[in-house]
Amino acid sequence: DAGITQSPRHKVTETGTPVTLRCHQTENHRYMYWYRQDPGHGLRLIHYSYGVKDTDKGEVSDGYSVSRSKTEDFLLTLESATSSQTSVYFCAISDGLAGGSGTQYFGPGTRLTVL
Amino acid sequence: GENVEQHPSTLSVQEGDSAVIKCTYSDSASNYFPWYKQELGKGPQLIIDIRSNVGEKKDQRIAVTLNKTAKHFSLHITETQPEDSAVYFCAASKTSGTYKYIFGTGTRLKVLA
Repeated sequence: DAGITQSPRHKVTETGTPVTLRCHQTENHRYMYWYRQDPGHGLRLIHYSYGVKDTDKGEVSDGYSVSRSKTEDFLLTLESATSSQTSVYFCAISDGLAGGSGTQYFGPGTRLTVL
Repeated sequence: GENVEQHPSTLSVQEGDSAVIKCTYSDSASNYFPWYKQELGKGPQLIIDIRSNVGEKKDQRIAVTLNKTAKHFSLHITETQPEDSAVYFCAASKTSGTYKYIFGTGTRLKVLA
């Protein structure tokens, strides 16, 4: 398995509180991605990073921000959590090498419940 | 925008039978198509992938076929076993730039013993 860990694995929080999820990799891969998974929607991209301090929005980025100060860590922050952000969050990594396939490898996920 | 449609959403088969899951993509520039298996409480795991310069790829009981003209690709599982029960996702991507995936909405496969 690719060396990807996510923390915390489970979190319950209240509406309006800030929440930060962490993704840590030991593969030295350039690309990192945050997805959310909801029934009937599959996996939807929130934000991604293509290098240290280089990030961009995905298809469902409203209400989320990210930061990447080191190659190995990619943080997802919900500035003020809402019940609609209750979901399972997955981090993925990709080496993004020229001529490669850009295959993404996923972490174990974080289940977030916003009450 | 870019879209991947996946069918069926649920599929039940008898143990030993074959299962087929189909996906259709909209972006003709897509050239990489991975398939993931997700077991309950775990992250998606890559099981097979195919590039657009290949029409078919096999790995033991699993195969993927690609029809670029029709813009669809399929996952075939033969001799299904109870441990094949899971949710399967297809995705479409381009092997350049950001390597972003567009995922299908998933198929829940149940293999009945």
